[in-house]
Amino acid sequence: EAGVVQSPRYKIIEKKQPVAFWCNPISGHNTLYWYLQNLGQGPELLIRYENEEAVDDSQLPKDRFSAERLKGVDSTLKIQPAELGDSAVYLCASSSTRNLAGKNEQFFGPGTRLTVL
Amino acid sequence: AQKITQTQPGMFVQEKEAVTLDCTYDTSDQSYGLFWYKQPSSGEMIFLIYQGSYDEQNATEGRYSLNFQKARKSANLVISASQLGDSAMYFCAMREAFPQGGSEKLVFGKGTKLTVNP
Repeated sequence: EAGVVQSPRYKIIEKKQPVAFWCNPISGHNTLYWYLQNLGQGPELLIRYENEEAVDDSQLPKDRFSAERLKGVDSTLKIQPAELGDSAVYLCASSSTRNLAGKNEQFFGPGTRLTVL
Repeated sequence: AQKITQTQPGMFVQEKEAVTLDCTYDTSDQSYGLFWYKQPSSGEMIFLIYQGSYDEQNATEGRYSLNFQKARKSANLVISASQLGDSAMYFCAMREAFPQGGSEKLVFGKGTKLTVNP
């Protein structure tokens, strides 16, 4: 079974330029997450999708960040314009239908390491 | 307020020995879940072990075990018989319910960097 796929793995851009990250979750996983991981920190949730609906985007800086999950499968996270402080790793994760009695673990992709110059 | 606290920025262990990575958490929820993830230098977060708040026994997965002390709100990871490939960042995380209910997210600690020496 293929894992969570993310592309690109690395991206270097100039500040004020736009950038986009793509995520393909594990087949059949209806929940998709985008996390931001700053250097030396744990991941922090940016947005969570249940199928194609964004059920929590409270941590997403909406002035410059946007995300979409058309058809409830692949997702794209965009930053426009990028700032120096956006340099970080952007992780995508997916999980299957929530089971309150179970672990419902999230499966993570390898991440996209963004460097803004 | 910090939900997950990992007080060890770095830990060193000799190959084949056991090591304990500390994690304390803060929640007022009665139902919650605790996770440990491993993040090697490649960047991917790898799920290791899970403990539910109502689980009576400590979770075990191969060489990984979780020392769950509910009253102390601690969920320490124990790795037995350390291997060179265990060198990585280790993150403790808690599954937290959203205020609206019916949704969950993971809240992570800052991680512990484990180095296994030959």
